[in-house]
Amino acid sequence: KQEVTQIPAALSVPEGENLVLNCSFTDSAIYNLQWFRQDPGKGLTSLLLIQSSQREQTSGRLNASLDKSSGRSTLYIAASQPGDSATYLCAVELRGFQKLVFGTGTRLLVSP
Amino acid sequence: EAGVAQSPRYKIIEKRQSVAFWCNPISGHATLYWYQQILGQGPKLLIQFQNNGVVDDSQLPKDRFSAERLKGVDSTLKIQPAKLEDSAVYLCASSPWQAAPTETQYFGPGTRLLVL
Repeated sequence: KQEVTQIPAALSVPEGENLVLNCSFTDSAIYNLQWFRQDPGKGLTSLLLIQSSQREQTSGRLNASLDKSSGRSTLYIAASQPGDSATYLCAVELRGFQKLVFGTGTRLLVSP
Repeated sequence: EAGVAQSPRYKIIEKRQSVAFWCNPISGHATLYWYQQILGQGPKLLIQFQNNGVVDDSQLPKDRFSAERLKGVDSTLKIQPAKLEDSAVYLCASSPWQAAPTETQYFGPGTRLLVL
């Protein structure tokens, strides 16, 4: 059974800091790994999707890496801003099922 | 392009009552998902539809939860009777059926359920 873990559970940083969120998964037979953002009272928004054959993806100040062999992914946020405050969830898609298994999330607070 | 629509946004009921949630996916999306997100946890898949057929309902508590997707478009999720532990956000998501590794799911805003 695929299990996804995220650490830390919560993170508070001052504006401008670079930060790293971690995600680990137990079964390396994944189709892809995605990072989502969730704002209070709102649904999830996909930030980055890394296919199983890829090592990383970048979008603006966000960079996500994937190491399937070790079952780990990191989301790097450069020059954090208060608008980055949200919960960040990673999810792996199981091969052949179009089914996402989510981690428990990291709640990020960026203070001005 | 309109996103995934869900209603109601909030619902408060007493235990043993019934409740229903509605979801309208993005136009043309063949696959529809219902997730349950308990406070402090990540979303957990309850049921997955491909058009109007069920692909996966292995984590749906079938003694009290039911879902349907008539005509392969919008969907309803029902809980009868509700328990305290059903308090959660119920998220609906949709995706095109392409079986491609680059395709993501698009989520609605969710329905927040409180069972008293």
